[in-house]
Amino acid sequence: EPEVTQTPSHQVTQMGQEVILRCVPISNHLYFYWYRQILGQKVEFLVSFYNNEISEKSEIFDDQFSVERPDGSNFTLKIRSTKLEDSAMYFCASRAGTGNTGELFFGEGSRLTVL
Amino acid sequence: AQSVTQLGSHVSVSEGALVLLRCNYSSSVPPYLFWYVQYPNQGLQLLLKYTSAATLVKGINGFEAEFKKSETSFHLTKPSAHMSDAAEYFCAVRTTGNQFYFGTGTSLTVIP
Repeated sequence: EPEVTQTPSHQVTQMGQEVILRCVPISNHLYFYWYRQILGQKVEFLVSFYNNEISEKSEIFDDQFSVERPDGSNFTLKIRSTKLEDSAMYFCASRAGTGNTGELFFGEGSRLTVL
Repeated sequence: AQSVTQLGSHVSVSEGALVLLRCNYSSSVPPYLFWYVQYPNQGLQLLLKYTSAATLVKGINGFEAEFKKSETSFHLTKPSAHMSDAAEYFCAVRTTGNQFYFGTGTSLTVIP
């Protein structure tokens, strides 16, 4: 069964360092998303991506964040200068483009710990 | 703005008892509604979805949910809880846009 894969599963970094989280969405999907979940809290929308550009982003997704689909298969989230409050689980998701009813398929998540 | 509200951040039921997890949505247009489950240290997995084909939706693991437009609700139920049902459950809504809105989640504990 096709699945969304994310790497790394866990990354520990120092405050101020750059982090890149990688995702490989399901191959025929057209919509891509990043969500984050701070420990014990709700799943928060960060950004959605379609047709090689950001379609929506939340207020969380400030200038420190960027997304890219560099090669037609990977979908990356970059945090330029990490802060302590960026520590969270980051989930990538993708959705097929056909019809409006398609659900999100999530990866297993990348846990980011900022020290 | 679209949103979902999940009443009860923690629900405890005895094994074999009815599970009822509540979700209310606010939407100005007919929504698409979803329930996801998150087991510890895992991603979110789709349980079921409402796409206007039928108001009673059956999902995996014996769960079902009923869309009630008059109550703007999409509560999740299971007749008999199993220990393996212990997890975090999220209700989500999507309208015609591209964004999914998640509730704050309900943690289900099953007591043996």
